[in-house]
Amino acid sequence: GESVGLHLPTLSVQEGDNSIINCAYSNSASDYFIWYKQESGKGPQFIIDIRSNMDKRQGQRVTVLLNKTVKHLSLQIAATQPGDSAVYFCADSDTGRRALTFGSGTRLQVQP
Amino acid sequence: DTEVTQTPKHLVMGMTNKKSLKCEQHMGHRAMYWYKQKAKKPPELMFVYSYEKLSINESVPSRFSPECPNSSLLNLHLHALQPEDSALYLCASSQDPPGNTEAFFGQGTRLTVV
Repeated sequence: GESVGLHLPTLSVQEGDNSIINCAYSNSASDYFIWYKQESGKGPQFIIDIRSNMDKRQGQRVTVLLNKTVKHLSLQIAATQPGDSAVYFCADSDTGRRALTFGSGTRLQVQP
Repeated sequence: DTEVTQTPKHLVMGMTNKKSLKCEQHMGHRAMYWYKQKAKKPPELMFVYSYEKLSINESVPSRFSPECPNSSLLNLHLHALQPEDSALYLCASSQDPPGNTEAFFGQGTRLTVV
């Protein structure tokens, strides 16, 4: 079936820089998108979500952008900190299959 | 209380054993989920419950048997597992309908089948 996937398996940034994590999805029926952060030995932790009737949503230091034309989702983290080091997953769901499907994940490494 | 609590945190079981994983939430969520996560992979959906009824079974082998005894509890009964079933098993909950809002995840049960 269709799934959500990521372009980069590992992203390394300097502390204080901005980070951008990308995600491509293929399901044109997807209407809800979400980003999770997972630290080693822990369960996924919610970061931010967005619905298909929006193209941008901002949180504290994070912004999610949705481009439905090219089926692309991105997570921007401002002023990246060492505590942001983790694996980041995008996930989506659609009206037909009401459950989150996860993408393959990107590891973010923040260099001090 | 925004926690999903899973027990045990770690479990080692033989291939002939029967064990159960437990999950509890007190957020009033009516959708609950089991996911399986292998090392360096994303969580993979196994089961979804909505209002204590099974709504999605992702063609999971019958050696995994879910149970939702009430709106706060979700169990996963394990029997005759294989070593390849070793993984992190994650429970999550959300408001209903499933997949339409943020799902809260527990810390997982690290299962090793020997």
